[in-house]
Amino acid sequence: GENVEQHPSTLSVQEGDSAVIKCTYSDSASNYFPWYKQELGKRPQLIIDIRSNVGEKKDQRIAVTLNKTAKHFSLHITETQPEDSAVYFCAALSGSARQLTFGSGTQLTVLP
Amino acid sequence: EAGVAQSPRYKIIEKRQSVAFWCNPISGHATLYWYQQILGQGPKLLIQFQNNGVVDDSQLPKDRFSAERLKGVDSTLKIQPAKLEDSAVYLCASSLQAGEYEQYFGPGTRLTVT
Repeated sequence: GENVEQHPSTLSVQEGDSAVIKCTYSDSASNYFPWYKQELGKRPQLIIDIRSNVGEKKDQRIAVTLNKTAKHFSLHITETQPEDSAVYFCAALSGSARQLTFGSGTQLTVLP
Repeated sequence: EAGVAQSPRYKIIEKRQSVAFWCNPISGHATLYWYQQILGQGPKLLIQFQNNGVVDDSQLPKDRFSAERLKGVDSTLKIQPAKLEDSAVYLCASSLQAGEYEQYFGPGTRLTVT
């Protein structure tokens, strides 16, 4: 089955700096890669996603890049704000049932 | 639109007891998922339904866990008997269809097994 690895597990940045979270996946047939944000005690919420026919996607301060050859994708957050503090999960869609496999999460802390 | 509803929000039971969780997905969503999220980890898919049929339950510990989605709407997940390692948040999610569709998560049920 699919295996998704996520790094780093914790990340602290100063407000206004950029943050980058990286994920690798194992199944070359995976073709959809969403990112979820989970605030403490809350449900995961989709913040951005990318499909395998696209190399990069941007939405305001958030961008995701995908390298299919290397089987890795990254989340970039620019001009970080304290409200960006949360756990971020990457995921990859694969399998005959089209199921998501999640990474282990990155705790992002934005220091004011 | 109303979100995914789950109940109860919290449950504390002793090991070897049984417990059941309920989920009501977003209206019109054909695909329903149950995930287990252990503290400090990402959600792990337990079972995926398409309407009222199971499409993937490869990671469901079938000797103790069971789930059903009668009439293709609400779903229940049961654990019997519970073990200490079942302590986790159980998340229900739904999507319009399986595949490249956004999954909407419920608030989760936090289970503590003592």
